[in-house]
Amino acid sequence: ETGVTQSPTHLIKTRGQQVTLRCSSQSGHNTVSWYQQALGQGPQFIFQYYREEENGRGNFPPRFSGLQFPNYSSELNVNALELDDSALYLCASSTNRRTYEQYFGPGTRLTVT
Amino acid sequence: GNSVTQMEGPVTLSEEAFLTINCTYTATGYPSLFWYVQYPGEGLQLLLKATKADDKGSNKGFEATYRKETTSFHLEKGSVQVSDSAVYFCALSENRDDKIIFGKGTRLHILP
Repeated sequence: ETGVTQSPTHLIKTRGQQVTLRCSSQSGHNTVSWYQQALGQGPQFIFQYYREEENGRGNFPPRFSGLQFPNYSSELNVNALELDDSALYLCASSTNRRTYEQYFGPGTRLTVT
Repeated sequence: GNSVTQMEGPVTLSEEAFLTINCTYTATGYPSLFWYVQYPGEGLQLLLKATKADDKGSNKGFEATYRKETTSFHLEKGSVQVSDSAVYFCALSENRDDKIIFGKGTRLHILP
């Protein structure tokens, strides 16, 4: 059974650019949640996808968007990057929206210059 | 809104010392409470959880008791090891389908 994987591991982008981060959920999981973890802070909930539909969103602007595919993998897209978007982006997968038993990937470190 | 406050780090202890990391919460309802751990270069892992008042969560020698009267969920371990060095996050969720709200984390260093 493979765990949650994310790609890429690290990424450097310039302000104003767009970025796509990818997450493969654990086998059998149909729910993916995305979190932003700024340096020295706890993770903050961005949004959750359940069976290809957005199922809840945190306090993030619309330039943060996502997708979930039929195999339950997911993408996080961020448009018009700002310096404050520099952070570790974590995805977590679970079954049937149950955040109690979610498994986290190792994260993608995004640096915006 | 709901929030979690935990003691600031870093916390530095010698091996075999007693550990306490304080955590208090603010919630409108009766949340479930969690401790997550983040080892260097790894993703977050659920360490333990408690879903109702007076429940004690425990795992790997760590334990925490859900105290509704003091809105606290302090993490304790009787004898820490170097391998416990990591960042620890206290967190809450209003229900099993709700987002998890994390504290800022406490970095723990254990010296041999």
